[in-house]
Amino acid sequence: GDSVTQMEGPVTLSEEAFLTINCTYTATGYPSLFWYVQYPGEGLQLLLKATKADDKGSNKGFEATYRKETTSFHLEKGSVQVSDSAVYFCALRGVDTGRRALTFGSGTRLQVQP
Amino acid sequence: DVKVTQSSRYLVKRTGEKVFLECVQDMDHENMFWYRQDPGLGLRLIYFSYDVKMKEKGDIPEGYSVSREKKERFSLILESASTNQTSMYLCASSLGQGVTQYFGPGTRLTVL
Repeated sequence: GDSVTQMEGPVTLSEEAFLTINCTYTATGYPSLFWYVQYPGEGLQLLLKATKADDKGSNKGFEATYRKETTSFHLEKGSVQVSDSAVYFCALRGVDTGRRALTFGSGTRLQVQP
Repeated sequence: DVKVTQSSRYLVKRTGEKVFLECVQDMDHENMFWYRQDPGLGLRLIYFSYDVKMKEKGDIPEGYSVSREKKERFSLILESASTNQTSMYLCASSLGQGVTQYFGPGTRLTVL
């Protein structure tokens, strides 16, 4: 079945540092890929998505590129802020149209220090 | 903007109680989902519904049931709560074959 693997946290960075959170997936065909963010005490918010190979999703300074050859969708940001501290989830929506749910990774907690 | 609301942010129940978690969405979405979130495990699908009165089991349906009597409302029911059902429960909705899901704020349930 489909699966998503993302790097374990917590990831601790200083403000203005470069961020990478790795995400790889296993799925047949060309799934849609997502990054969701969960701020403390809140539900999940869609951060960005990509629906076909080589697409780049971007939002709020975050970017991720859909790499079919490496089955990856790594999240990057050039300069993190304290307000980016949150838990980040990588997820996929498989090509099986009968299963409309997302498959999530285990989440990566990011802590940004001033 | 899509709005998904959940009836409670925090809930404390006793073992053996029947528990209802309610979710309402205001965007006429066909699909609604219930996930549970546990540390180190991410989100796991409990049940989903693609239409009124229709439901499908997810990956971990044991101990849960659901009800969808109206399009905008999807209820998760714990028939007899147990301590291993202590978790964060997240509701989500999406449009038809659309891929993007919109999440509610979550209900943190503690079963004593």
